[in-house]
Amino acid sequence: SYVLTQPPSVSVAPGKTARITCGGNNIGSKSVHWYQQKPGQAPVLVIYYDSDRPSGIPERFSGSNSGNTATLTISRVEAGDEADYYCQVWDSSSDHPGVVFGGGTKLTVL
Amino acid sequence: QVQLQESGPGLVKPSQTLSLTCTVSGGSISSGGYYWSWIRQHPGKGLEWIGYIYYSGSTYYNPSLKSRVTISVDTSKNQFSLKLSSVTAADTAVYYCARGGVAAALGVNAFDIWGQGTMVTVSS
Repeated sequence: SYVLTQPPSVSVAPGKTARITCGGNNIGSKSVHWYQQKPGQAPVLVIYYDSDRPSGIPERFSGSNSGNTATLTISRVEAGDEADYYCQVWDSSSDHPGVVFGGGTKLTVL
Repeated sequence: QVQLQESGPGLVKPSQTLSLTCTVSGGSISSGGYYWSWIRQHPGKGLEWIGYIYYSGSTYYNPSLKSRVTISVDTSKNQFSLKLSSVTAADTAVYYCARGGVAAALGVNAFDIWGQGTMVTVSS
């Protein structure tokens, strides 16, 4: 089955740029979606179709996807960005297609 | 705006069937264009997709759970439901319902709307 690999944790100082990666075999050929989840809350979609932002999501959030790595970039990081972030794809390449989530990355704002 | 709300028992005994319902408000399940999904999250862990249903009743399940999962829809009540049979402690999790866009080849795109989640504990 298809596997998405995320670093368990990323730390960044306020005002700096955070980059969270999501690795997968030829992930650049898939549409990648990103979710933010704060403690005790449901996930919130922050990026869809690799780089599009839903309404209400700050421009500080951006995404890219190429080759074997997709990246969520958060510019000018704020304390309120501290959360878990998950990438997600629909995998149709295996014998058993399905939704695949990455393991999640905990973003810590120093 | 569309909102989702899960409901159901918070405690289920081992070997029994877990049953949850998701009520959709602010929009109609029957309008099409979306797959209505169940997703769970084990305590302190990541997200696991369980399966989806289309308003027509078509379903697609996670192969790892397929033998125990049934998702159904009641368009008259604007609800869809999850049944997970033969539960064990490993099924203890927060269960979310979510709306996902329809993609090609039975695929689902991003989940743009989520319910708040409901904690289900499997214990005797």
